[in-house]
Amino acid sequence: NAGVMQNPRHLVRRRGQEARLRCSPMKGHSHVYWYRQLPEEGLKFMVYLQKENIIDESGMPKERFSAEFPKEGPSILRIQQVVRGDSAAYFCASSPQFQRGKFIRGTDTQYFGPGTRLTVL
Amino acid sequence: AQKITQTQPGMFVQEKEAVTLDCTYDTSDPSYGLFWYKQPSSGEMIFLIYQGSYDQQNATEGRYSLNFQKARKSANLVISASQLGDSAMYFCAMREGNSGNTPLVFGKGTRLSVIA
Repeated sequence: NAGVMQNPRHLVRRRGQEARLRCSPMKGHSHVYWYRQLPEEGLKFMVYLQKENIIDESGMPKERFSAEFPKEGPSILRIQQVVRGDSAAYFCASSPQFQRGKFIRGTDTQYFGPGTRLTVL
Repeated sequence: AQKITQTQPGMFVQEKEAVTLDCTYDTSDPSYGLFWYKQPSSGEMIFLIYQGSYDQQNATEGRYSLNFQKARKSANLVISASQLGDSAMYFCAMREGNSGNTPLVFGKGTRLSVIA
């Protein structure tokens, strides 16, 4: 039973290049979240997606950043024209469908992938 | 205002002793969930334990237990019989609301060091 998969684990880009980060959720999970972790900080929410829909992108910068979760294939976080400040660990998490009105242990737990460490030179 | 506050940047504990990591939260929503995650030096985020706001009993998962004090808005993590492998960053997080899957809000973390 594979967990959340992310690739690449490490990514080095020069300023101005594009970075593409991929996330495959756990089997049966239809919700994907992207978080960013700066050095010595907690994780900060960026974007929440379901298949083919962006549900909440309130934590994602308006420029240069985009995310998608197509019907087929992994979720992609794309950073265009990277800058040094984009250097961070990017985590993807997935969860199953939340059941309204029910607090079933585990249905609102987010399981994280191993992260992608982006370094911008 | 911080939604999740972890006041201990670093903690030390002797191997085999118990340790409590503090977490206080701030929400006006009656429905919420509280989570603890462990991040070892390798960097991955490992889910440890969950407490729902309506749960009557404190959550326990093996050596981990959550001391949930709703009136004080605290959700402290207790690790019993510490092991060297427990050395890591520990993050407290909260999900608010009952309207669906919602993002987690994380604290800044506590770095736990277990001493032999």
